Amino acid sequence: DGGITQSPKYLFRKEGQNVTLSCEQNLNHDAMYWYRQDPGQGLRLIYYSQIVNDFQKGDIAEGYSVSREKKESFPLTVTSAQKNPTAFYLCASSIDGNTEAFFGQGTRLTVV
Amino acid sequence: AQSVAQPEDQVNVAEGNPLTVKCTYSVSGNPYLFWYVQYPNRGLQFLLKYITGDNLVKGSYGFEAEFNKSQTSFHLKKPSALVSDSALYFCAVRDKGTGFQKLVFGTGTRLLVSP
Repeated sequence: DGGITQSPKYLFRKEGQNVTLSCEQNLNHDAMYWYRQDPGQGLRLIYYSQIVNDFQKGDIAEGYSVSREKKESFPLTVTSAQKNPTAFYLCASSIDGNTEAFFGQGTRLTVV
Repeated sequence: AQSVAQPEDQVNVAEGNPLTVKCTYSVSGNPYLFWYVQYPNRGLQFLLKYITGDNLVKGSYGFEAEFNKSQTSFHLKKPSALVSDSALYFCAVRDKGTGFQKLVFGTGTRLLVSP
């Protein structure tokens, strides 16, 4: 069953902690993305990766880090430097950098 | 840089009536255009895309969209709305060019279909 799997679905973080959101895809897609969704602001690009071992900052990369050691996996770490991390995080992938993207089901992160 | 505008925060329509969700875009070159739908606490589902060719694009669940280059618009339409179409709709654009092009989203339009 092909698709994009994000885990966990809900995540709670104490202030000052780093947390890592998982994203795995079995679609054999080269490109992967992380977006942040806040009410009324649409989706904003955090990081993207065109190919294994390569990634680029998006529009709101401060306070976040990623890795792309395997084609299937693109984990996102929300660091303590991210001042307002409470949001809905969406991972996506596409065949390349010019086609439509397919999304996972999202992770809702809440700082407590 | 590319951008997308969805001028309506919410669209209300009665079941059985036609619906339109508006989208305008700005790119430096030619666009790739996309529509997605999102249900509560879920990821985005791809509905349809315009790459090239016919200006009227047909997609999933009876939706279609019309590309208008002179008006830089890509409005989403459906001839007869269903209550189950109620959701959040996003328009997105990529600039058609060499190399990787970012996928940029609008702020979304909430569609409410009343029985």
